[in-house]
Amino acid sequence: GEDVEQSLFLSVREGDSSVINCTYTDSSSTYLYWYKQEPGAGLQLLTYIFSNMDMKQDQRLTVLLNKKDKHLSLRIADTQTGDSAIYFCAETPYYGGSQGNLIFGKGTKLSVKP
Amino acid sequence: DADVTQTPRNRITKTGKRIMLECSQTKGHDRMYWYRQDPGLGLRLIYYSFDVKDINKGEISDGYSVSRQAQAKFSLSLESAIPNQTALYFCATSDLGGVGIDTQYFGPGTRLTVL
Repeated sequence: GEDVEQSLFLSVREGDSSVINCTYTDSSSTYLYWYKQEPGAGLQLLTYIFSNMDMKQDQRLTVLLNKKDKHLSLRIADTQTGDSAIYFCAETPYYGGSQGNLIFGKGTKLSVKP
Repeated sequence: DADVTQTPRNRITKTGKRIMLECSQTKGHDRMYWYRQDPGLGLRLIYYSFDVKDINKGEISDGYSVSRQAQAKFSLSLESAIPNQTALYFCATSDLGGVGIDTQYFGPGTRLTVL
C-alpha cells in the first residue's frame, strides 16, 4: 500500500534554514502537499507541488521534488520561532482516472530555538 | 467566522458511553472527512463522504460510525467508547471536482479522552 515517511523531529536555531524531508512510495501521485499544524490547531495547507515539477518557491519556502527517488523536501529559509509546528507531508495517489484520498506522513515536529 | 467548526472541542467520557462528535462547514464543499491524530502516528482516515449519499470507510473505521445529515454536516459516533479511542479528532472538507489540487480545510479538532 501507499506509505509516506518523515522523520519525527527537527530542531534548528532561529535564522537558520530548516529542511524537512519526506519519502513516498506511490509513483502515481499527482500532487504532493505540505501541511502545517500549529499547537492546538488543525492543519493548514502550506504549499503543494504538481508531480511534473521539480521545484517550487514561495517566499521563504522552497519545495524540491525528486520523482525518481520519490523524495520531497520543504526548505524554510530564515526560520523563525513562529515556524515551530508539526509539518505533514501528504500525497494523493491517482487510480483509474481519479485521485485517491490524501495520505499523510506522521509529521515532523520543528522546534526553533532562539 | 471559522469555515469548519467542530463540537465539542473537548470531551471526557467513560468506557462504554456513546459519543457523537459534530462537524459543520460553510465552505459549500461536497467532500467531508474524519481523521484521528495520535502522537507519533500522524493522521489516520476514519470515514469520508463525497456527497450526502456517499459514505466510505477509511483506514480505521472499526468502532466508529458516521452520518452525513446534509452537505454541511458530518457527524462521527463512537457507539461504545473505549480508552484506545482517546485521541484528537479532526474534521476536514475539500472540493476536488476532478483532477486537481485536493486542498483540505481542517476544523480546530476535538480532544476526546475515554477513561
